[in-house]
Amino acid sequence: GQQVMQIPQYQHVQEGEDFTTYCNSSTTLSNIQWYKQRPGGHPVFLIQLVKSGEVKKQKRLTFQFGEAKKNSSLHITATQTTDVGTYFCAGNNFGNEKLTFGTGTRLTIIP
Amino acid sequence: NAGVMQNPRHLVRRRGQEARLRCSPMKGHSHVYWYRQLPEEGLKFMVYLQKENIIDESGMPKERFSAEFPKEGPSILRIQQVVRGDSAAYFCASSRRQGMETQYFGPGTRLLVL
Repeated sequence: GQQVMQIPQYQHVQEGEDFTTYCNSSTTLSNIQWYKQRPGGHPVFLIQLVKSGEVKKQKRLTFQFGEAKKNSSLHITATQTTDVGTYFCAGNNFGNEKLTFGTGTRLTIIP
Repeated sequence: NAGVMQNPRHLVRRRGQEARLRCSPMKGHSHVYWYRQLPEEGLKFMVYLQKENIIDESGMPKERFSAEFPKEGPSILRIQQVVRGDSAAYFCASSRRQGMETQYFGPGTRLLVL
């Protein structure tokens, strides 16, 4: 079945440093979505990418969808303590409503 | 505009008891998804339902687990004869329609089996 892996599993950064998480799917995706989950909270939708090679920005967050639509990345510039949480990518295949979530990258910030 | 609602937020059960988890989707959403999250792990898809229909239950254990989404009322995830390994957070998400739709998550039910 479809597998979605994320690296790294954990990332500790000093406040102000940049952070990147990478998402890789074993199959071609129709779209990729990114979610953030704060400790003890629930996943919150951040963004959806649909087109091959698409890049979207949300303030300090930059999301990219690979040309082959099998990988994606999330880059945070100048991290802040509010960025703490686990970032999940999630994708589905064409014609399949089931979202397969990545393994997640847990970001902790050292003040 | 109320979001996805789940109750109870926390549920404690002894081994062998039944657990019933409820999910009310966002207004206007007719698609419901259930996920399970073990501590320190990712979200695992369990089941996808539309009103009165189970569309995909490929992620749900064949025994002891069942789900429904009746014409009226919330979606229910039912776990019979719970075991310690069922302890997890169970999240419900809803979307407006099928396809590449954003899923909006509820706050989850934390199930603890003693």
